[in-house]
Amino acid sequence: NAGVTQTPKFRVLKTGQSMTLLCAQDMNHEYMYWYRQDPGMGLRLIHYSVGEGTTAKGEVPDGYNVSRLKKQNFLLGLESAAPSQTSVYFCASSYATTNTEAFFGQGTRLTVV
Amino acid sequence: TQLLEQSPQFLSIQEGENLTVYCNSSSVFSSLQWYRQEPGEGPVLLVTVVTGGEVKKLKRLTFQFGDARKDSSLHITAAQPGDTGLYLCAGVLNTPLVFGKGTRLSVIA
Repeated sequence: NAGVTQTPKFRVLKTGQSMTLLCAQDMNHEYMYWYRQDPGMGLRLIHYSVGEGTTAKGEVPDGYNVSRLKKQNFLLGLESAAPSQTSVYFCASSYATTNTEAFFGQGTRLTVV
Repeated sequence: TQLLEQSPQFLSIQEGENLTVYCNSSSVFSSLQWYRQEPGEGPVLLVTVVTGGEVKKLKRLTFQFGDARKDSSLHITAAQPGDTGLYLCAGVLNTPLVFGKGTRLSVIA
């Protein structure tokens, strides 16, 4: 039972470098989300998707792009990493947006130096 | 503006004590959820409360949804070291699943 899988688990980037975080879910969920978690700030929604081929901005979308080319995958891209993007990133998926459980991956710890 | 305010932010108690943590908002939610997160892991759902005034029990954990559906509380009876973790409340408004900042609970044996 894989659930939600995030890769990589850890990454160190230099300022200005780019990278893509991959999220894969095997539960056939329509909805997928990317959050970042910073000390004292809780989980903040970056982008989300309500289905294959669709994406929408969340609370803190600046500096990030996403794509949902396949239903099971949701990619988060950083085009030019900045130290302010140092964080733990969580992907989640759910069957619906309300009254249903969101399943989370184990997180990606990203450090931008 | 934080849609969901959680208090206290930190709580350190002795094993066997009771505690209550709170989740408050000025907005009305159709439902609220409580998640628990352990270090190095993603949050895991504990409960969803849907009806105003609803009380749900999960072993030693009691969850309540306020009558006006603007607030919720989590009460733990006889806390154990295994209860240590970050407790997050979450709800849906205009965007999916908004989270509070969480209450970090430490239960000392």
